[in-house]
Amino acid sequence: SQTIHQWPATLVQPVGSPLSLECTVEGTSNPNLYWYRQAAGRGLQLLFYSVGIGQISSEVPQNLSASRPQDRQFILSSKKLLLSDSGFYLCAWSGGQGTYEQYFGPGTRLTVT
Amino acid sequence: AQSVTQLDSQVPVFEEAPVELRCNYSSSVSVYLFWYVQYPNQGLQLLLKYLSGSTLVKGINGFEAEFNKSQTSFHLRKPSVHISDTAEYFCAVKRSGATNKLIFGTGTLLAVQP
Repeated sequence: SQTIHQWPATLVQPVGSPLSLECTVEGTSNPNLYWYRQAAGRGLQLLFYSVGIGQISSEVPQNLSASRPQDRQFILSSKKLLLSDSGFYLCAWSGGQGTYEQYFGPGTRLTVT
Repeated sequence: AQSVTQLDSQVPVFEEAPVELRCNYSSSVSVYLFWYVQYPNQGLQLLLKYLSGSTLVKGINGFEAEFNKSQTSFHLRKPSVHISDTAEYFCAVKRSGATNKLIFGTGTLLAVQP
């Protein structure tokens, strides 16, 4: 069966520091991958999605970036964190053509101080 | 543009009572609809999905939803809730076109009281 991992689970970083969040998927190949951010008490905002290695699409302009160095690895990065980057970051995957549901990882709680 | 509306931000209900969480979508094309549940500090878990076929969809944990094309609704129901059903519930619709991206509603907090 497929599983999705995210780490770290929680992170406290000062303003201006770099960020690297990692997501890996097991048990499937060539998944579509997604990064979402969930601010406190709000819905999900799609940040990036990827349909293959090295293929990244950005949904909103911001100081975050994403990379997909391997088929089942998705990384969210920032060179300098802002206070507004605080939130709950969720990675998700979906299968190929004809399957539309997304499956989510456990999330990373990021607090920028 | 497509959108998903969850009018109720919070729904309080007593244990063992029935509940309905409302979801309305806007789309002029065929839709694929989903309900997810999120427990505190966890990721989202798929409850059920509607892709085609029977308009009454059964999911996990005793939940079901009914697709109503004329009312553009996909309400989630459970005949008898439990304390453990307390969570945030999100309705989502697949974006039209050649994409697997989903549009999520803002969520409804189901608060089950003893």
